[in-house]
Amino acid sequence: AQSVAQPEDQVNVAEGNPLTVKCTYSVSGNPYLFWYVQYPNRGLQFLLKYITGDNLVKGSYGFEAEFNKSQTSFHLKKPSALVSDSALYFCAVRDRERDDKIIFGKGTRLHILP
Amino acid sequence: DSGVTQTPKHLITATGQRVTLRCSPRSGDLSVYWYQQSLDQGLQFLIQYYNGEERAKGNILERFSAQQFPDLHSELNLSSLELGDSALYFCASSPVPGGWTGNTIYFGEGSWLTVV
Repeated sequence: AQSVAQPEDQVNVAEGNPLTVKCTYSVSGNPYLFWYVQYPNRGLQFLLKYITGDNLVKGSYGFEAEFNKSQTSFHLKKPSALVSDSALYFCAVRDRERDDKIIFGKGTRLHILP
Repeated sequence: DSGVTQTPKHLITATGQRVTLRCSPRSGDLSVYWYQQSLDQGLQFLIQYYNGEERAKGNILERFSAQQFPDLHSELNLSSLELGDSALYFCASSPVPGGWTGNTIYFGEGSWLTVV
């Protein structure tokens, strides 16, 4: 069965510093991987996804993520954090060879400190 | 705005009651997904429909049911409600199912259900 782990409930980063939000996954086949962001009282917004090809994926708002097959990880990164990046971030996985549901991690709350 | 519309935005009801949540997918999207978000359980996949047919099932309780209509809108029915059913229910849509496309799913703003 598919699963996603986000080991940190919360990450605190000073504004201007680089940030990383961690994600590891488990699927029986090859994965499609996604990052979504949720602002307070809002739905989830798509940030980026890995399908195939280059392991470094660039997305919205200056975010990027690196797919590492050997470590089964898909960490979200940004070189310089903004206070406005403070939100709840979800990693998600879809198994290419199985059914179509997308499974989400529990989310990581990102606090950017001014 | 994702293009996925959910109604109602907020709903307060009593235990034992039944409610229906409605979702209109993005124009052209054939797949609809339902998720439940609660503080202790995170974002749980409930069920997926594609072009009117059930495609995948997750942690959906027997008291809950869903359907997708010919015009592609979907409804999630929650019955015999319990306090623990209080949560934010999201609908999402995508053009086609299938891992072979890796299509993104787009979320609505959610329906807040409070059971008292």
